[in-house]
Amino acid sequence: QVQLVQSGAEVKKPGASVKVSCKIFGYTFTDYYLHWVRQAPGQGLEWMGWINPDSGGTNYAQKFQGRVTLTRDTSITTVYMELSRLGSDDGAVYYCASVYNTGWDFEYWGQGTLVTVSS
Amino acid sequence: QSALTQPASVSGSPGQSITISCSGTSSDVGGYNYVSWYQQHPGKVPKLMIYNVNKRPSGVSNRFSGSKSGYTASLTISGLLAEDEADYYCTSYTSSSTYVFGTGTKVTVL
Repeated sequence: QVQLVQSGAEVKKPGASVKVSCKIFGYTFTDYYLHWVRQAPGQGLEWMGWINPDSGGTNYAQKFQGRVTLTRDTSITTVYMELSRLGSDDGAVYYCASVYNTGWDFEYWGQGTLVTVSS
Repeated sequence: QSALTQPASVSGSPGQSITISCSGTSSDVGGYNYVSWYQQHPGKVPKLMIYNVNKRPSGVSNRFSGSKSGYTASLTISGLLAEDEADYYCTSYTSSSTYVFGTGTKVTVL
């Protein structure tokens, strides 16, 4: 069955970078875009960007332009989200989400990765 | 890209119907039928409830329905149950080939 498995929680200092992985199981990796969404404590969902696992093409929310990089490794069916120059307001749960099935909607989600930013 | 506008909270008694609105612009909700809705219980992963404005994924109760008029999409929950108490988010594809979420609505079952 379809599963998205993310890497574990991270604690980072302000100004550092974090890289979160998302491994895909259960469908052809290159067939569906993969998105990243974050949720700060007590806050709403925030879309960050997508990657086309086939071509490697990406698109990012304007808010994160220049600070987020999405990459993939097709050999291990894994997508990565790297966020640089972390600030205290980047502390959040980061989710990967696949548009598998509908092609446009986030039907399958990773379990979430908590990123804590603290000096 | 500004977040889509949703009411902060909506409440209803068991068995009643409630509607959550999601207001956008011509660049998102008004321009595309790629509007979807997500349910999120505390501490849980969001769950897709409605896609393409009004389609339900397999396994989602037909008590959930969606619609759109102009720049505003809506999610209606009929026959409200205690288990429907959760946060709900809309999202839309945009003219920049990006996505934008709504501000979120807390549904309370009285």
